[in-house]
Amino acid sequence: QVHLVESGGGVVQPGGSLRLSCAASGRNFRSVAMHWVRLAPGKGLEWVAVIFYDGNNKFYADSVRGRFTISRDNSNNMLYLQMNSLRTDDTGIYYCARRGAAPAAVEYFQHWGQGTLVTVSS
Amino acid sequence: QSVLTQPPSVSGAPGQTVTISCTGSSSNVGAGYDVNWYQQIPGTAPKLLIYANTNRPSGVPDRFSGSKSGTSASLAITGLQVDDEAAYYCQTYDSSLSGAYVFGTGTEVTVL
Repeated sequence: QVHLVESGGGVVQPGGSLRLSCAASGRNFRSVAMHWVRLAPGKGLEWVAVIFYDGNNKFYADSVRGRFTISRDNSNNMLYLQMNSLRTDDTGIYYCARRGAAPAAVEYFQHWGQGTLVTVSS
Repeated sequence: QSVLTQPPSVSGAPGQTVTISCTGSSSNVGAGYDVNWYQQIPGTAPKLLIYANTNRPSGVPDRFSGSKSGTSASLAITGLQVDDEAAYYCQTYDSSLSGAYVFGTGTEVTVL
């Protein structure tokens, strides 16, 4: 049974930093890609970043590249998102997510955390 | 704005069928990349409804079905129920984006 729990959200001023964490339980953490997805107020889901199983391959949405860094600790089943130079449009609920056991050519998000709220405001 | 376009809203009476389209391009859906679909009820995490175009995870009712043709994909909800009121999103991979993954613009389903 896969279980994902995010933490680290809060209120931060524009230009500030925040580090989100995602604790994962269940099997195969070190063999799957992990993603961050966000939901801004009044907007739709936005994919933010992915880190593949070994931590060497990482990709970001254009809106966060150069400001956010995704990382993982496979020894402790943890996923992180370091967010720097935060802007008001980064406000939203941040979810960590991963695929299920069924094979697929394109990453799909079967398992989600409950989300952690990030508010960027002065 | 997303490279995957969905209608902002669709509606139907209980028991009816509604269909949500997801229109992409030759760098995503048209390139053959699989499409996935999600349901999100306000205040809750998204839920996977369909993966790899047509596959339902265990526990998802067969009232939900997916299809794909050319540069578009569709999600059909048959026997519409009040509990189906939610936002629905398609998602795939885009080879023209350096980031790679993308969600559709989202569709609000209203049960009349």
